[in-house]
Order: sequence, then structure tokens, then C-alpha cells
Amino acid sequence: ETGVTQTPRHLVMGMTNKKSLKCEQHLGHNAMYWYKQSAKKPLELMFVYNFKEQTENNSVPSRFSPECPNSSHLFLHLHTLQPEDSALYLCASSQGLVMGAEQFFGPGTRLTVL
Amino acid sequence: ELKVEQNPLFLSMQEGKNYTIYCNYSTTSDRLYWYRQDPGKSLESLFVLLSNGAVKQEGRLMASLDTKARLSTLHITAAVHDLSATYFCAVDIGSGGGADGLTFGKGTHLIIQP
Repeated sequence: ETGVTQTPRHLVMGMTNKKSLKCEQHLGHNAMYWYKQSAKKPLELMFVYNFKEQTENNSVPSRFSPECPNSSHLFLHLHTLQPEDSALYLCASSQGLVMGAEQFFGPGTRLTVL
Repeated sequence: ELKVEQNPLFLSMQEGKNYTIYCNYSTTSDRLYWYRQDPGKSLESLFVLLSNGAVKQEGRLMASLDTKARLSTLHITAAVHDLSATYFCAVDIGSGGGADGLTFGKGTHLIIQP
């Protein structure tokens, strides 16, 4: 595997389900990000992790819970989501400690909440 | 609050023509990024611009940054069909520590017709 991978690629869930999205980066980066891309809004930053520590939470509802066990893996735990949470969820990574570091994106998880 | 505005949002042009996409942003920054997204795909990094007056070129695409005007441009020369995609600009106004989230524009949906 190379670059940034995400699983699953597609997910359909009910509002009462609990599911998790997984992201893995094979680039030796230290910073990882979750973004949300929906049809009605521009790409939105959700969370930032740098060296496993959360450094930014962009006012994301608590039904989204991130986890970063190490610099290579990032999870987004989902519970009691709403239909408006349906979107493409993109993970990205970059070199921490490098100003202006380029962010590399994974293929995304297309989430549908019924 | 940082605002990033792209124009135009939709552009249909003929092969062989030249055109420019504009990206304005509301808060001082010297870190600007251009990405490309094909339908159903993730974001592909095109350019990273990290100083006033920065200019980068790759094939038929050229990007520039004017930090004083808070303006970046993406110029397309002699367009070809393969350049049809959605183009996003994104701005970083973080502390510069290397793990800062990006604020994206709405994207410019570009269609190049034979």
C-alpha cells in the first residue's frame, strides 16, 4: 500500500448505528486530518492530529469521535448520526513541523445515513 | 473568520483556449494550495505556494500568489480535454507549525469541450 488509504470506501448506516472509518498513511508523516465534503458546503476541516495529539477540533458535533493511536492511523467513530451527515469523508496527512507542508489526501469514504 | 472565494465556480471552455481561475482570501496568509478533483475521486495536489510572488508551472497549468492582494490565480494555457475537473484553492492561516488545517474555496468546475 502506498500513500493514504481509507476503509471502507462506501458505508450506509442507520441513525442508530455505530460505525468507524479508518485511515492509514504510508508516507512517514506525523500530522493527520479529517475533512468533510458535502454537496452543499465547501470542504470543511473537522479534526487535526499532530504526533498523535489532537490540535484542532473545528466545532464538530460529539457524534463524531476521532482517535489517533499512532502517527500512521486515524479513526473516525460515528454514532447516532443524522441524514445531513451524509457526505464524503476525506483523510489527509502531512509532515508535521514543516511549515506549509503539502497535505496528501486519501480516496475518501462515501457515507450515507438513512 | 477566514473566507476563501473562487471564481468562476463553473467554467466551460473550448480546447486550445486560455483561461484563469481566481482565488481571493480574506485573512493574511502566505501559504496557498491548489488541488484537482476528478468526479468520484479524491484530491490531487497541484501546487504549493509559500511566498509572495511565488509562481509555479506544471504543463499547461501555472499558479501564482500575491499575498498583498490576497489573491492567487491558476492559469490554463491551450486547454485540453484531460484538464476537465474541479479545481480547489485552499489557504492555511495556522501558526505555521506544520499541522494546520486548510480552508477551501467552493471549487471551480471546469469543462473543456473539443
